[in-house]
Amino acid sequence: DADVTQTPRNRITKTGKRIMLECSQTKGHDRMYWYRQDPGLGLRLIYYSFDVKDINKGEISDGYSVSRQAQAKFSLSLESAIPNQTALYFCATALSGANVLTFGAGSRLTVL
Amino acid sequence: ILNVEQSPQSLHVQEGDSTNFTCSFPSSNFYALHWYRWETAKSPEALFVMTLNGDEKKKGRISATLNTKEGYSYLYIKGSQPEDSATYLCALMAGGSYIPTFGRGTSLIVHP
Repeated sequence: DADVTQTPRNRITKTGKRIMLECSQTKGHDRMYWYRQDPGLGLRLIYYSFDVKDINKGEISDGYSVSRQAQAKFSLSLESAIPNQTALYFCATALSGANVLTFGAGSRLTVL
Repeated sequence: ILNVEQSPQSLHVQEGDSTNFTCSFPSSNFYALHWYRWETAKSPEALFVMTLNGDEKKKGRISATLNTKEGYSYLYIKGSQPEDSATYLCALMAGGSYIPTFGRGTSLIVHP
């Protein structure tokens, strides 16, 4: 099993629908992140959490919300999806300090 | 928002060529720099974490150097192979936030 698991891997939905992307990890890492990747723009941070009770907005949090249900689980929600939220979404985890990120396989979301 | 620049944006080389690319970042308040390799249809995987000015790291044919005073890091690939084809990302962690901010990446294609 992967250390960082994202579900679903692919999703097509319609404008206005509520979507949840889920992330779970077996690394035992405290830090979890949601990034969005768009062609030509690199990885941009949506939300991050350093602990179960800690939630922080990233660079592009508008239109998104998150929930850290447990140390191992960090979910990203789009309350009312819009077409410009079509992107590849990555969940990542890290231990602490300067430690590198471990990425999930990505969730490709298409909003029609 | 930290400005992390990578150049060139893309690079085509022949098998056996050696190549290098650059990650530039604000030199103030530096904490750490990460390099990742991102192969098509996979998730980014960490290559190096660099924390000290003058750091040099090596993994096989890939090496990296760090200059925190002038705000740049170089990634070198010696004797490129087709399997080195990927996008190479750098990510800066600044003191105070400790959140990785990614550059847009350098896409490397190695032709047989």
